Amino acid sequence: QSALTQPASVSGSPGQSITISCTGTSSDVGGYNYVSWYQQYPGKVPKLMIYEVSDRPSGVSNRFSGSKSGNTASLTISGLQAEDEADYYCSSYTSTSTWVFGGGTKLTVL
Amino acid sequence: QVQLVQSGAELKKPGASVKVSCKASGYTFTNYIIHWVRQAPGQRLEWMGWINAGNDNTIYSQKFQGRVTITRDTSASTAYMELSSLTSEDAAVYYCARQTRTGEAFDIWGQGTMVTVSS
Repeated sequence: QSALTQPASVSGSPGQSITISCTGTSSDVGGYNYVSWYQQYPGKVPKLMIYEVSDRPSGVSNRFSGSKSGNTASLTISGLQAEDEADYYCSSYTSTSTWVFGGGTKLTVL
Repeated sequence: QVQLVQSGAELKKPGASVKVSCKASGYTFTNYIIHWVRQAPGQRLEWMGWINAGNDNTIYSQKFQGRVTITRDTSASTAYMELSSLTSEDAAVYYCARQTRTGEAFDIWGQGTMVTVSS
């Protein structure tokens, strides 16, 4: 199972919006609404930010939103804040009952 | 509170095996699936496999098939991941993570266990 494709890095200024893409295939992202997104600070444990493509767990800011079109899922962060600077990973359930992560995207807040 | 607590850091020689534990508390262990995910230094998250703590079913990533074994002890509310034939490429932080009941995502993560492979 190949990793899902994410941009290596994205950046934005405080207050702006950014979008991180996550491209897979019809056997994972495109085939199921089981895409999730995780935020990870350096040396820290990943944190669930979005599940089932667009749902937010309790406690996660509504500045974080998710969507999907075809084989590509997206995470959008609006009203960018300095604290959003972190690595972001997408993950998807697959047709073989396994899971796959993306390559990760480093978000820099300018 | 709901948490997963993992065993401590390990130093292993090439060719050896490592077994990492993940103790659950604050919820009914057998009602959930536990996944294992690893992250080599500076690298991405990599999914390894899962175990249904209720019925003991397991599924492994093809990459680790034959080298990884995930088990659980319901009396101890603990899941285990054993990886054999270690090489330097297996040096990583190993995480256990709980799958949500409905969302097919990983909502609770262990603190991670650093595995170092060196002769």
